[in-house]
Amino acid sequence: NAGVTQTPKFQVLKTGQSMTLQCAQDMNHNSMYWYRQDPGMGLRLIYYSASEGTTDKGEVPNGYNVSRLNKREFSLRLESAAPSQTSVYFCASSEVGNEQFFGPGTRLTVL
Amino acid sequence: EDQVTQSPEALRLQEGESSSLNCSYTVSGLRGLFWYRQDPGKGPEFLFTLYSAGEEKEKERLKATLTKKESFLHITAPKPEDSATYLCAVRAVSSNTGKLIFGQGTTLQVKP
Repeated sequence: NAGVTQTPKFQVLKTGQSMTLQCAQDMNHNSMYWYRQDPGMGLRLIYYSASEGTTDKGEVPNGYNVSRLNKREFSLRLESAAPSQTSVYFCASSEVGNEQFFGPGTRLTVL
Repeated sequence: EDQVTQSPEALRLQEGESSSLNCSYTVSGLRGLFWYRQDPGKGPEFLFTLYSAGEEKEKERLKATLTKKESFLHITAPKPEDSATYLCAVRAVSSNTGKLIFGQGTTLQVKP
């Protein structure tokens, strides 16, 4: 089992460009999450999907959109990237109430 | 407001020098407290879940304990390979979706 996979691993964007971060899990989990991690700020929840067909905002949703494509896949889209979105992005999955399993992360730089 | 605070921010130990990391939390009600290990350039790796005060869990040189206000991660006779950032997170009773609130982490360096 691969667990949680994320693509791409690294990305450099110019201000105003758009991109989609992809996440997939093979553990048959119902819930999936997107976090960003910044120095001194810890992990902050951007969006989550408690189950297939549902999505909700987390702590820092502005500037992002998500799609729960099916039970396995949960994508994060930046419509118009800004330098403040330079960060490391992690996807995670879990069964509700249980531990979350994280992917390897995407390092995004916005110039 | 639900909050998690970890201390210290950074800890340097000599190999074999035991110590503890602290995770203090303020939540309306605790549904679970989670410890993770994160190596540089990688995603967090799950270590333990604790659900109620008095509960303890162990894995190799690590032992996690829980009280009503805080959790400790005790590291006994650490080795250089224990060097990592340790993250604490809580799930509040108010969360019926599995959302976690993370602390900022403690970065541990163990020198040989």
